[in-house]
Amino acid sequence: NAGVTQTPKFRVLKTGQSMTLLCAQDMNHEYMYWYRQDPGMGLRLIHYSVGEGTTAKGEVPDGYNVSRLKKQNFLLGLESAAPSQTSVYFCASSSADRGLSYTFGSGTRLTVV
Amino acid sequence: LAKTTQPISMDSYEGQEVNITCSHNNIATNDYITWYQQFPSQGPRFIIQGYKTKVKNEVASLFIPADRKSSTLSLPRVSLSDTAVYYCLVGVSEGSARQLTFGSGTQLTVLP
Repeated sequence: NAGVTQTPKFRVLKTGQSMTLLCAQDMNHEYMYWYRQDPGMGLRLIHYSVGEGTTAKGEVPDGYNVSRLKKQNFLLGLESAAPSQTSVYFCASSSADRGLSYTFGSGTRLTVV
Repeated sequence: LAKTTQPISMDSYEGQEVNITCSHNNIATNDYITWYQQFPSQGPRFIIQGYKTKVKNEVASLFIPADRKSSTLSLPRVSLSDTAVYYCLVGVSEGSARQLTFGSGTQLTVLP
């Protein structure tokens, strides 16, 4: 049982490049989330999804897009990377958005130069 | 957007009990309070969850007063391996949109 798997684990991008971060969960969870974590800032919600085919904006959505074409996958895209997007990105999933715990992936460390 | 508030850092010695409080004034009626532990270079890990009064499991206790505007995570007899960042998660509703907000996190350092 892998839980939540994030790929890649590390990536260096040049300003203006694009990339997609993949999150996959094998727990049949309905809800999935993307967070970013910066030093001293805690975790901030970028986007989330309450089911296949649905997405919603979180606290810091600008510069990111997401898609949930399959229930088990939640993709985070950066169309034109900026140095301000240098961060550690965590994906999480849960079986409901209230009352039950979230399972986090191990993170993707992204550096934009 | 309402946010949760935690102390930035706490120090303790091995064997002591540690209490970390999170303030969440705008908690929604149906929201639960969940605490997580995070070690460097790892994702947060679930510790405990509650709705009201007291919850206890094998690693921690959670105390929630009647007004639910705060919660306290209690770690009994901490060890060096409990050094980590602790977050409280509360679902915060604003209008029809839901914003799931972590607290700023508390860096707990356990000293020998």
